[in-house]
Order: sequence, then structure tokens, then C-alpha cells
Amino acid sequence: DGGITQSPKYLFRKEGQNVTLSCEQNLNHDAMYWYRQDPGQGLRLIYYSQIVNDFQKGDIAEGYSVSREKKESFPLTVTSAQKNPTAFYLCASRRRDLGGYTFGSGTRLTVV
Amino acid sequence: AQKVTQAQTEISVVEKEDVTLDCVYETRDTTYYLFWYKQPPSGELVFLIRRNSFDEQNEISGRYSWNFQKSTSSFNFTITASQVVDSAVYFCALSGVTGANSKLTFGKGITLSVRP
Repeated sequence: DGGITQSPKYLFRKEGQNVTLSCEQNLNHDAMYWYRQDPGQGLRLIYYSQIVNDFQKGDIAEGYSVSREKKESFPLTVTSAQKNPTAFYLCASRRRDLGGYTFGSGTRLTVV
Repeated sequence: AQKVTQAQTEISVVEKEDVTLDCVYETRDTTYYLFWYKQPPSGELVFLIRRNSFDEQNEISGRYSWNFQKSTSSFNFTITASQVVDSAVYFCALSGVTGANSKLTFGKGITLSVRP
């Protein structure tokens, strides 16, 4: 079955370390997105990519980086510059013909 | 800029009550899409409905119904005869068609608690 796989489900990081969250889709979707969720804040867009080798900053991109070398993959790196990285991270994808969004099951990142 | 407002933050009802979740949106686009998602405690987002801006027909799916009114920029969601399993966080979202507006903009969510 097609879908989006996010890994790992839970991730712990020490302060000052970079960490990369994985997002892989086999839906042949062109666009991919990363959202961050904090309690009471809803979901906020970090980065998005509409085609391979191209991506744009979202509303809260500071302290994050992404790459889109393959259509299927859109990894998110949380760098040490991100001051409050503890959050729930959701990846999504969407077809070029503006079909619905498909979301992964999320990664819960905790800084210890 | 696009904006979605869910003024209600928490709602608590007793099972079998009807409940309406409000959603008001702002956009300058003439073509756009509106969504509702459910997020149970597991964290996954469950898609409920997508409506495009040219289709103002109300929709009913089982106990769920949606009322889209462009005149008031609202897209409200009603659960009839609520059940304990309806307890979750509900998000309303908006997306445009081109460029930066093709992203999905979410409201802050409404936490619904249905008590037995």
C-alpha cells in the first residue's frame, strides 16, 4: 500500500546535537511538506518542496534544514540552532494535480 | 496571507449530544480548498473532508456534516449524536492553488471531549 513513512517514531537528542528526521513516500507525489506541532499551537509549516532539488522556507524555518535529492524523500535536519526543538513533527505529501494531502504518522522529538 | 481561525479551544459534551466546531478562514485567492482533520491521541492526522471554493453544497457523511458559507468565510463541522470515540483534536485547514499558497494552513485546533 502506498503511503508516507516517518522514522523514527520517538527520538531523543542531547542539546547541541543535530538530528535528522526521515520522511519517505511511495505515492509518486510531487510536493512534500514538514510541519511542527506544539500543544495549543496547531501545525506550523517548516519547509516545503514542490519539485526535486527545490524547496522553500515555511513560517518557522529557522534552525532547520532540508534536502530534496529524490522525489520520494524529504529529510528534515533539526540543527543545534533550533532553540526549542522538542515537538511533534509531521511530514506530508501532495499530488501535482492538487489532490488531497497524505500525512505520515509523525516523529516525536525530545531534547534531553 | 492565508489564515484559519478556530475560536473554540476546548469543548466538552455528554455522549449523544450534537456539537458544532467552528472554522473561519481568510484568503485572497478565488480558488482554494478547505479541509477538516481529526487527530486522536495517537497523533496521526485523519482526513475527514476536502471542499473546494466553488462547491458550497453542504455535505453529510453519517453523523458528520459540514456547512460551507463563502459569504461569512466559514466552514463549520457538526457531529450529530456524539460518541466517546469522537474525542480528539479537530483541525480546520486551508490551501490555495499556486506557489506559496499551495501549502496547507491550519487553525490551532479544537479539543473535543465526549463524556459517557
